[in-house]
Amino acid sequence: NAGVMQNPRHLVRRRGQEARLRCSPMKGHSHVYWYRQLPEEGLKFMVYLQKENIIDESGMPKERFSAEFPKEGPSILRIQQVVRGDSAAYFCASSPQGSEQYFGPGTRLTVT
Amino acid sequence: DAKTTQPPSMDCAEGRAANLPCNHSTISGNEYVYWYRQIHSQGPQYIIHGLKNNETNEMASLIITEDRKSSTLILPHATLRDTAVYYCIHRAIVGNYQLIWGAGTKLIIKP
Repeated sequence: NAGVMQNPRHLVRRRGQEARLRCSPMKGHSHVYWYRQLPEEGLKFMVYLQKENIIDESGMPKERFSAEFPKEGPSILRIQQVVRGDSAAYFCASSPQGSEQYFGPGTRLTVT
Repeated sequence: DAKTTQPPSMDCAEGRAANLPCNHSTISGNEYVYWYRQIHSQGPQYIIHGLKNNETNEMASLIITEDRKSSTLILPHATLRDTAVYYCIHRAIVGNYQLIWGAGTKLIIKP
């Protein structure tokens, strides 16, 4: 049973470009969470999605960031017009409803 | 903001039990205590969770005080591979499932 998959593992973007981060949940999991981690800090919640629905996006910046979890395919976290402050590790987790979350290996975004 | 308090770092000798404390004095009756760990910037790994009773699994034991204001994670026979940052987290039983992370405890296992 494959774990949570994230790609790419490392992503370099220039300021002003777009970044797309993908997350494939574990088989049978319909809940996806995105978290961001700055160096030497704990994770910060960004958004919680179920298939085709955003349940809680209280941690998402109001501009430039969006997330989706379509009926088919992976969940996507999209960052438009990236800035240096967006450089971080982005982790995705999945779970069955109401259960413990299992994390992927993360995508390390570097904005130059 | 994180609702738990943990010591920033701890050492433990290899082969001994590692006891990691956590204070969560504001925990409500409808919140679990969860423990995760993160080994050197990898994705966090679920360890254990509990509500009122003590819990044990193949990785660790969780001791929760009767008033639920604190808990201790016990790794019974620590190995070098247990060196990691350990996070103690509240999580609602129903409704909002987001995990709110503090700074955690950096546990270093020494040979």
